Amino acid sequence: EAGVTQFPSHSVIEKGQTVTLRCDPISGHDNLYWYRRVMGKEIKFLLHFVKESKQDESGMPNNRFLAERTGGTYSTLKVQPAELEDSGVYFCASSQERSYEQYFGPGTRLTVT
Amino acid sequence: QKEVEQDPGPLSVPEGAIVSLNCTYSNSAFQYFMWYRQYSRKGPELLMYTYSSGNKEDGRFTAQVDKSSKYISLFIRDSQPSDSATYLCALWPQDSGTSYGKLTFGQGTILTVHP
Repeated sequence: EAGVTQFPSHSVIEKGQTVTLRCDPISGHDNLYWYRRVMGKEIKFLLHFVKESKQDESGMPNNRFLAERTGGTYSTLKVQPAELEDSGVYFCASSQERSYEQYFGPGTRLTVT
Repeated sequence: QKEVEQDPGPLSVPEGAIVSLNCTYSNSAFQYFMWYRQYSRKGPELLMYTYSSGNKEDGRFTAQVDKSSKYISLFIRDSQPSDSATYLCALWPQDSGTSYGKLTFGQGTILTVHP
């Protein structure tokens, strides 16, 4: 069974540019989560999808971040325009319905210069 | 004050040592207590989880929860160089009504087991 995959693995962009991160969850997992770890800090929750619906987006930092989940399958996280403080590692995780076992992808390392 | 406190280390031990990793938390509403292991440039991997106070053992790993003290621990027996990684505690959920599934992480402890 394939795990959670994320693309790209690393992205370097300039301040003000746009970046789109993609996550493909484990097949059949209705729950999809985005987390972020900035340097020196703990991993922090961004948002949670149940199928295509946003269940909880309380962790989204501001309106420069837009997450979508097309048809309840893969998800994208767009940052527009990117700021220096958006640098960090963005993790995606997925889980089965009503399960506490979240499976994480390898992360996308975003560097904003 | 952070919701979950975890000493980031780094912690360096010789092969074969017993390792103790700990987290404290402030909100008694947390229900599940997880330990994740993260190798460099990889995503966190779920090691163990516990629900109630007490101990849970899985091979060389033992997870311990003391809800009265809001204190959780992970013990690694007979540590191996392959155990070298960052260990993260994660708590879930804080409020099942509005944030089902949201994990709250500690900062992670960097562990190195040297031969």
